Amino acid sequence: LAKTTQPISMDSYEGQEVNITCSHNNIATNDYITWYQQFPSQGPRFIIQGYKTKVTNEVASLFIPADRKSSTLSLPRVSLSDTAVYYCLVGDIRNAGNMLTFGGGTRLMVKP
Amino acid sequence: GAVVSQHPSWVICKSGTSVKIECRSLDFQATTMFWYRQFPKQSLMLMATSNEGSKATYEQGVEKDKFLINHASLTLSTLTVTSAHPEDSSFYICAGFRHTEAFFGQGTRLTVV
Repeated sequence: LAKTTQPISMDSYEGQEVNITCSHNNIATNDYITWYQQFPSQGPRFIIQGYKTKVTNEVASLFIPADRKSSTLSLPRVSLSDTAVYYCLVGDIRNAGNMLTFGGGTRLMVKP
Repeated sequence: GAVVSQHPSWVICKSGTSVKIECRSLDFQATTMFWYRQFPKQSLMLMATSNEGSKATYEQGVEKDKFLINHASLTLSTLTVTSAHPEDSSFYICAGFRHTEAFFGQGTRLTVV
């Protein structure tokens, strides 16, 4: 399983763009990158998933360089409600269990 | 997105008793479900993988006789914490997988007193 490394915590202010980078140096050919968000006392929630280049949905963008050894979750114009822990997961989508090994996550604090 | 419902949301029990937590996939069939435990300020730790109609697969260090998992149907998996002790107090979360996306339950806060 590809191991992931993320910053433990980040601070931001309302309205700013936040970029959280995840390192996964030993990512395998069949591995996808998935980001989840978790609020206190709740289960994680899917944010975005990608394999390479850039993926964008209504809440975030995911940038993946050509070597795929890292990825960056971009949250545009964050609000206080984006304060949460963000997890980067890497794994083979053909094996569900392979995709659900959590690393330490990044605790994002959005300030007014 | 798909919905996974977990019940109860919180439970307090006396030391030595057993507690059952239910995890249901409401709008999809989950042949496999995952059970996690999360301590305060820590990440999710996979405890076991439940497989419909067969035995669960436990992660190293997780006592299978203490954490009983049953996955009797394609939409229901249960985790029973037997003879609970205060050190079992934690946040337990289940997840079902549909296509390439995982859907998590709301979690169950277990407090053993």
